[in-house]
Amino acid sequence: EVQLVQSGAEVKKPGESLKISCKGSGYSFTSYWIGWVRQMPGKGLEWMGIIYPGDSDTRYSPSFQGQVTISADKSISTAYLQWSSLKASDTAMYYCVRPEGATDQFDYWGQGTLVTVSS
Amino acid sequence: SYVLTQPPSVSVAPGKTARITCGGNNIGSKSVHWYQQKPGQAPVLVIYYDSDRPSGIPERFSGSNSGNTATLTISRVEAGDEADYYCQVWDSSSLVVFGGGTKLTVL
Repeated sequence: EVQLVQSGAEVKKPGESLKISCKGSGYSFTSYWIGWVRQMPGKGLEWMGIIYPGDSDTRYSPSFQGQVTISADKSISTAYLQWSSLKASDTAMYYCVRPEGATDQFDYWGQGTLVTVSS
Repeated sequence: SYVLTQPPSVSVAPGKTARITCGGNNIGSKSVHWYQQKPGQAPVLVIYYDSDRPSGIPERFSGSNSGNTATLTISRVEAGDEADYYCQVWDSSSLVVFGGGTKLTVL
């Protein structure tokens, strides 16, 4: 069974750094892209970017380029989303997603990681 | 960048048919996927490649895509269908684009 299990909720202060994770299981981690989706409180879904763990090829939404870093450690089947300096506006739920193919539908979603940034 | 436009809300009585639209420039030339999100839950895929249904999704859910509009149709609507629905495409410039979402209310 394919599963994406994300790290737990985080509460941080503005200016702090953060790295959240998404562990894939039940499939060949290096053979499928993994992406990240943001959902701000009460708002819709926003695409952030995607990585192919097999060769670390990474693509970012223009809206998030330079704002976050997406990475993966294939030795432990885990993808990451990180910030170097959080802002209050980064407060949101973050989902990792796995498409069936490079430009296919998102069949699998993580349970979400809630990030709260507040002074 | 490519934009997908959905109505903010759609209301329907139980047992009737709900139609949720997703508008985009020549969207008929793209593949459209639809997700259902209930409060406090992660989204779930309900339609992919315009009209295919994942296993476990009721036949009441169907999709179509032509011209500048894709449509998610839910027949014989039930109270449990009340949720937010999002359309999604892949675009060469933005990679992934989501519609703004439509809140389906079952009266």
